[in-house]
Amino acid sequence: AQTVTQSQPEMSVQEAETVTLSCTYDTSESDYYLFWYKQPPSRQMILVIRQEAYKQQNATENRFSVNFQKAAKSFSLKISDSQLGDAAMYFCAYRIRPSGSRLTFGEGTQLTVNP
Amino acid sequence: EPEVTQTPSHQVTQMGQEVILRCVPISNHLYFYWYRQILGQKVEFLVSFYNNEISEKSEIFDDQFSVERPDGSNFTLKIRSTKLEDSAMYFCASSSGTREKFFGPGTRLTVL
Repeated sequence: AQTVTQSQPEMSVQEAETVTLSCTYDTSESDYYLFWYKQPPSRQMILVIRQEAYKQQNATENRFSVNFQKAAKSFSLKISDSQLGDAAMYFCAYRIRPSGSRLTFGEGTQLTVNP
Repeated sequence: EPEVTQTPSHQVTQMGQEVILRCVPISNHLYFYWYRQILGQKVEFLVSFYNNEISEKSEIFDDQFSVERPDGSNFTLKIRSTKLEDSAMYFCASSSGTREKFFGPGTRLTVL
């Protein structure tokens, strides 16, 4: 069974600084997707970034980037120039490639941004 | 930009009552899902639905739960006899299959 682990229940960062959130996963599959979702206090689930396992290049979306280490089964999220609006719960998620397959989520990391 | 909508935003019910949570997925999507999140815990998969039938369900999705797509736009989750432990946030999601899932804003279910 696939599992996703986020070992940091809480993280904090100063505004304008950089923070990295960790995620590891366990799978026997070779082709899959990894995601980071943001959940603000409204509890809406918002996709932050997506990585396809077959791509060696790390995904980047503006201030958000990932460090995908396939052999180590590690998928960390780096937030640069942190903003107050980045404060939220962040979930790492995994799914296998076939269309319609389920997402498996980690436990989440609560990020606080200090002014 | 198209979005997934869910109604109601908050549902309060008595233990043992039936509830129906409603979702309108994005119109050209083919796959529909329900997830739930108990307060303070991770998001858990309940069920996926494709081509008018359940394609996958988790161990949480027991006989108390059912899903339906009664018309071309709505996707519903029914809980037949609610328990206290069903209190959670329920998220509907949809996808075209090849890309990411789009989540609705959630329905907060409170069972008293």
